[in-house]
Amino acid sequence: SQTIHQWPATLVQPVGSPLSLECTVEGTSNPNLYWYRQAAGRGLQLLFYSVGIGQISSEVPQNLSASRPQDRQFILSSKKLLLSDSGFYLCACDRGGGTDTQYFGPGTRLTVL
Amino acid sequence: AQSVTQPDIHITVSEGASLELRCNYSYGATPYLFWYVQSPGQGLQLLLKYFSGDTLVQGIKGFEAEFKRSQSSFNLRKPSVHWSDAAEYFCAVGGNYGGSQGNLIFGKGTKLSVKP
Repeated sequence: SQTIHQWPATLVQPVGSPLSLECTVEGTSNPNLYWYRQAAGRGLQLLFYSVGIGQISSEVPQNLSASRPQDRQFILSSKKLLLSDSGFYLCACDRGGGTDTQYFGPGTRLTVL
Repeated sequence: AQSVTQPDIHITVSEGASLELRCNYSYGATPYLFWYVQSPGQGLQLLLKYFSGDTLVQGIKGFEAEFKRSQSSFNLRKPSVHWSDAAEYFCAVGGNYGGSQGNLIFGKGTKLSVKP
């Protein structure tokens, strides 16, 4: 079964600084990959998804971007963080086909000060 | 519009008591339904899912859920709650969009507290 790693686990960054969060997947190939943000009391918000290398779809316009340089690597970035970027970021994957279960990584807690 | 509603933000039950967490959805096609559990500071773990067939599905940790199409509901139940069940629970709906990705729509979650 697949295992999702996220790095770092926690991060505290000043406003205006850059961001790079990494997600790597083991145990499957050609996964669909997802970035979600979870803010208190607001559930999960889908930010980006990718169905293949170099293929990124954005669900919500914002100052974040995503990249998929390798089949099982998904990166979330920002050039300049905002206070509103604080939250819990979750990476997820599924095997594709539109009906498979999504599995989640352990998450990264980002605090922007 | 597609949506998931979990009407209870926070529920407190006594250990050993029964539990039912409510989930209602709005979806234009045949829904695929999921319940996930999240412990504090952790990722989401799948409890159970419904794609088709028997409308009563069994999951891990003694949880079950029943799909009721007429009520657009997928409520989660457990006959006897344990202190370790204290967590946040998310209902989600998804489906085949005809493409490769299967985006899920999540409810806002129900936080479960368990009294000793």
